[in-house]
Amino acid sequence: QSALTQPASVSGSPGQSITISCTGSSSDVGGYNYVSWYQQHPGKAPKLMIYDVSNRPSGVSNRFSGSKSGNTASLTISGLQAEDEADYYCSSYTNSGTLYVFGTGTKVTVL
Amino acid sequence: QLQLQESGPGLVKPSETLSLTCSVSGGSISSSSYYWGWIRQPPGKGLEWIGSVYFSGNTYDNPSLRGRVTISIDTSKNQYSLKLSSVTAADTALYYCARHPATGSGSYFEYWGQGTLVTVSS
Repeated sequence: QSALTQPASVSGSPGQSITISCTGSSSDVGGYNYVSWYQQHPGKAPKLMIYDVSNRPSGVSNRFSGSKSGNTASLTISGLQAEDEADYYCSSYTNSGTLYVFGTGTKVTVL
Repeated sequence: QLQLQESGPGLVKPSETLSLTCSVSGGSISSSSYYWGWIRQPPGKGLEWIGSVYFSGNTYDNPSLRGRVTISIDTSKNQYSLKLSSVTAADTALYYCARHPATGSGSYFEYWGQGTLVTVSS
């Protein structure tokens, strides 16, 4: 099972919106509404930001939203802030045997 | 507030067995609502799910690790453990313990430990 494909980097200015894509296959992203997103600041553990494609855990800003179309899921950060600068990983359930597969990761830079 | 804390040796020799423990506080590991998992991250790289255990002792793990994984749970101590055998330099990583739901999709890790770095080297 290969990792889900994410862009290596995405950048934006404060206040702008950015979108991070996560591409898989019908065995994972496209086949199930079981995509989650994690934010990881340097030296810190990942933090759950979105689960089951578009649900936000309690305490996560509503500036973060998730969606899915076909085999590609997306995380949108609106009103970009300096604190949003971090690495972001998607994850999905997969029927391939691995069960849970993560994305390659995207570094978000706030210009 | 649920907290998870990994512990174990930071240095393991090649071909030996890596052993880590995750201590859980602020919640019971005996809950039927959750699985308790292990995830690793090689330095500068992405995340990889290793395996998970249920309070009953049922486990499942990543086939890519070729049967080298053993996960166990000790409800009396509110902790669970990971053993990874026959390690090589490729197993050098930050190892995280994390909780995920046993209901619904169960496919997201909602609480994570801070991680512990394990280096495989002679």
